[in-house]
Amino acid sequence: DTAVSQTPKYLVTQMGNDKSIKCEQNLGHDTMYWYKQDSKKFLKIMFSYNNKELIINETVPNRFSPKSPDKAHLNLHINSLELGDSAVYFCASSPSPGPGTEAFFGQGTRLTVV
Amino acid sequence: AQSVTQLDSHVSVSEGTPVLLRCNYSSSYSPSLFWYVQHPNKGLQLLLKYTSAATLVKGINGFEAEFKKSETSFHLTKPSAHMSDAAEYFCVVSEWNNNDMRFGAGTRLTVKP
Repeated sequence: DTAVSQTPKYLVTQMGNDKSIKCEQNLGHDTMYWYKQDSKKFLKIMFSYNNKELIINETVPNRFSPKSPDKAHLNLHINSLELGDSAVYFCASSPSPGPGTEAFFGQGTRLTVV
Repeated sequence: AQSVTQLDSHVSVSEGTPVLLRCNYSSSYSPSLFWYVQHPNKGLQLLLKYTSAATLVKGINGFEAEFKKSETSFHLTKPSAHMSDAAEYFCVVSEWNNNDMRFGAGTRLTVKP
């Protein structure tokens, strides 16, 4: 009964390819997120999505695009992959936006671009 | 905007001794503060959170943290370390007016036998 699940867990691909990472949550939460964890373990928010409102971190290249077919899913699509995109990507969800509500994280997807 | 600073990138303790992981925050508003733990090749798990209620917060696995507004700190402690506590720990802050949870750089805890 995984609360937040991501697929695939590992993804190895060549530069220039387009890939997607899927995320599903069965918690009934209204808000979902994508985070990127770099090689130094630093986590940075990429997107948050709540009631069809998308908030984008301005540092995220437009090659990255979140897609939400419904409230329980927030997939991450990446175009023209670059070496620097190699990282662990975490999906998360929370009951509502704002403070005091913790985020529940998936297991992460380790993306390696070669 | 809010931010956190984890003062130690690596802490090493012996099994059975106390653990102290330090975190200082910066926030323009009343913040919510969290500690998450990440075991190797695993996702992030919430240890505890502070949301303007009691300043001493108890979490899972014997961890607790104290919110000190005057010191802008939210240090994580445990009286006695266990081998299974070895992991990466993240201090996180969020503010009432945005969705953004800001993570610290993390502290790697090593527990020696």
